[in-house]
Amino acid sequence: GAGVSQSPSNKVTEKGKDVELRCDPISGHTALYWYRQRLGQGLEFLIYFQGNSAPDKSGLPSDRFSAERTGESVSTLTIQRTQQEDSAVYLCASSLVGEQFFGPGTRLTVL
Amino acid sequence: GDSVTQMEGPVTLSEEAFLTINCTYTATGYPSLFWYVQYPGEGLQLLLKATKADDKGSNKGFEATYRKETTSFHLEKGSVQVSDSAVYFCARTNAGNNRKLIWGLGTSLAVNP
Repeated sequence: GAGVSQSPSNKVTEKGKDVELRCDPISGHTALYWYRQRLGQGLEFLIYFQGNSAPDKSGLPSDRFSAERTGESVSTLTIQRTQQEDSAVYLCASSLVGEQFFGPGTRLTVL
Repeated sequence: GDSVTQMEGPVTLSEEAFLTINCTYTATGYPSLFWYVQYPGEGLQLLLKATKADDKGSNKGFEATYRKETTSFHLEKGSVQVSDSAVYFCARTNAGNNRKLIWGLGTSLAVNP
């Protein structure tokens, strides 16, 4: 299909390890978003890419979190020195105008 | 800052009951308003949207009307089905230029047969 894909679907890691999450947006979508969804909570905005503009990083919770995007394609979200409170579902979305299309998410568990 | 407030769940209804999930938003700017749905084990998907005052979004029997005077976008369905069991999220666009969505916390709906 031509939807947003994310990998891995599940990731279990030990506290202190680094993890890298990947998002493949819908082809042609200029905007890409990362969100975090903790159990039973709403969506927490993390970072937003729009074309070649500087990303909006205002939602990143700490300097352990970073994200990159190559042009208007793949994005990676990196969490360094993971903590147990980082456990959540990490969602990626892409859009062209208006509606955001979401991927299935990556469930991260930090032991 | 911008915010969206949804009624707390969980909401439990019997099949064919009438559903209302309340959503209000801060009145900054001229936002677009959305309802997203997350079915069990699936990703978020857009249910309906409205882009200006008095617009009515509708899909799959669900409706919501953009009410500027009450800053509300309540979700309604006249007769719910078991398959409507899901978490529903209300959202608005940010008042800035980055098209960031501001999200409510979600309302869980369980429909019993």
